[in-house]
Order: sequence, then structure tokens, then C-alpha cells
Amino acid sequence: GAGVSQSPSNKVTEKGKDVELRCDPISGHTALYWYRQRLGQGLEFLIYFQGNSAPDKSGLPSDRFSAERTGESVSTLTIQRTQQEDSAVYLCASSSGVEAASHTEAFFGQGTRLTVV
Amino acid sequence: KNQVEQSPQSLIILEGKNCTLQCNYTVSPFSNLRWYKQDTGRGPVSLTIMTFSENTKSNGRYTATLDADTKQSSLHITASQLSDSASYICVVSPRNNRLAFGKGNQVVVIP
Repeated sequence: GAGVSQSPSNKVTEKGKDVELRCDPISGHTALYWYRQRLGQGLEFLIYFQGNSAPDKSGLPSDRFSAERTGESVSTLTIQRTQQEDSAVYLCASSSGVEAASHTEAFFGQGTRLTVV
Repeated sequence: KNQVEQSPQSLIILEGKNCTLQCNYTVSPFSNLRWYKQDTGRGPVSLTIMTFSENTKSNGRYTATLDADTKQSSLHITASQLSDSASYICVVSPRNNRLAFGKGNQVVVIP
């Protein structure tokens, strides 16, 4: 596709259920980021993938959160046993990873709005 | 400590007024800096990009400035409109390292 695609765009789930969020980065982009935005708050870093390197998971808030990415393809963010405080917009961004280039740009998806009831 | 700090976290301005958003960064060495606009319910989109050699860039009523010596950037919105209500995110691209994202400035324009 032409841009970063996230699915679903909206998800309502019951407390305690597991959810899986998907991010399709731009083809060829080696870097992929997941961020969370709670209502009225700023971006909160979750996890960073760069090619086949070990991901930086330092932003994951608890062991209920996990993310996977195979190579430079799709990434999935899984939240187990969802809680109401998990309600937020989950944003994915990808970039070429060629950070030395002056035109490097992060391309964002539309986000997944997660509501835990 | 976050490598990119934005201030104020949020502000409310009257339609027609100007405002300035700040982005301070510690990233070094530096390649480029972008400001993104995120409308409610949408993903952020790029507004301006500046390399280390540029100190100002305009996009309509939006003007970004960059001082690479003090590692500061600002985004100035002139004659604000209701459609300027959004989150504005500063993203810094270092050389040979991953992108650094600010948390964003939340702007609300009221009539």
C-alpha cells in the first residue's frame, strides 16, 4: 500500500479479553514504532523495531503487552487481559531507517482506537 | 529523560490569534527535524522539515524555526483557525540512529 495501514481502526473489548492490533508498514521500511496516546495526553513510546535487530521493548507498560514483527513486514501488538486504563489510540509509524539521509521521515498510520469496557 | 521535550503540553487560544509551540532536543549529531500535525481521530502528517543548515521554513500560516546551536525549534501559527485545533508533534532525526519523538503540543482554538 501507499501508506502505513493499521487495523482495526476501532476496537471495543470487554475488560479481561485479549486484543491484537496490526500495523502494515510502508514496503521497504526497516524501522517500525508503536506509540500510545491516552485521551488528552501525549505520545507514549511502547516499542521499536529496526530490521532484524533485537527490538527495544523498554516502553511496554506491563507484561500484558507484547509485540512481534517478522523481518521488515507486518507488526502485531497484543494486549492480554485488557484493563480500562489500556483504552487509548495506538499509533504505528515506520521509516526507512536510513537515518543518515536528510529526508528521513516517519510515516504514521491512522491509529487504532481501543476502548475497554 | 526524553530526547525531545515539547512545551506547552496544551494551550487554548482564541480564533485569529497567534501562538508559538516549542521543541527542545538533545539529539546529536542531528540530521533533520519535522513538525507533524495530528487532527482528532487521524494519524499525524508532516507539516515542515528542516535540516541542520536551515533556520526557518514556512507552510502557509505555519512557520517553523530552528536554532541548531541551542537545539531549539519553534512552530508559529499565525491567525489561528478552528481547523488548527490538533496535536503538533516534533520529531528529530539523528544521524545513524532512530527517530526521537516529542510527546506533542495539544492546541485548542476557540471561537
